Amino acid sequence: GENVEQHPSTLSVQEGDSAVIKCTYSDSASNYFPWYKQELGKRPQLIIDIRSNVGEKKDQRIAVTLNKTAKHFSLHITETQPEDSAVYFCAASKRNTGFQKLVFGTGTRLLVSP
Amino acid sequence: DVKVTQSSRYLVKRTGEKVFLECVQDMDHENMFWYRQDPGLGLRLIYFSYDVKMKEKGDIPEGYSVSREKKERFSLILESASTNQTSMYLCASSLTGDFTGELFFGEGSRLTVL
Repeated sequence: GENVEQHPSTLSVQEGDSAVIKCTYSDSASNYFPWYKQELGKRPQLIIDIRSNVGEKKDQRIAVTLNKTAKHFSLHITETQPEDSAVYFCAASKRNTGFQKLVFGTGTRLLVSP
Repeated sequence: DVKVTQSSRYLVKRTGEKVFLECVQDMDHENMFWYRQDPGLGLRLIYFSYDVKMKEKGDIPEGYSVSREKKERFSLILESASTNQTSMYLCASSLTGDFTGELFFGEGSRLTVL
């Protein structure tokens, strides 16, 4: 089945720096790649997603890039702020008997220091 | 705003007890999901439901069952709780059934099995 690997598991940056989180997936049929952010003690929330017909998508300080050939996608956060501190999960979606099954990565804990 | 409410935030149960975790969503979503969240393992799908009385196994269904008698309510059942089921359980709902739409998560239920 689909396997999603996420790196790094933890990432510490200074406020204002950029942060990059990378994920690789195994199934070339996957075509939907969301990113969820989970603040401490809170529920995961979708922050950005990309579909396989698009190579890059931006939303203010966050962007996601997709390389279908290499089967990896990345989350880029620019000008990081302390409120960006959270656990970030990537995911990939592949079809399985009529339903596309979302498989999550293991998460990256991002710490932004003032 | 979509609201997904999980009935219990914290539960402590003993080995062998039957455990019910309940989830209610208020947005008339067709699809509901139960995930398990463990450190270093990310979010793993236990079961999902795309309609009332319909259910599909996820990646780790062993030891769990589910019930969806009404559209807004999705219950996770541990028939005989074991210590390895100590975890955070997250319920989610989505409008689309093909895993390419946003998942709306509840706050989570942290279960400890002694």
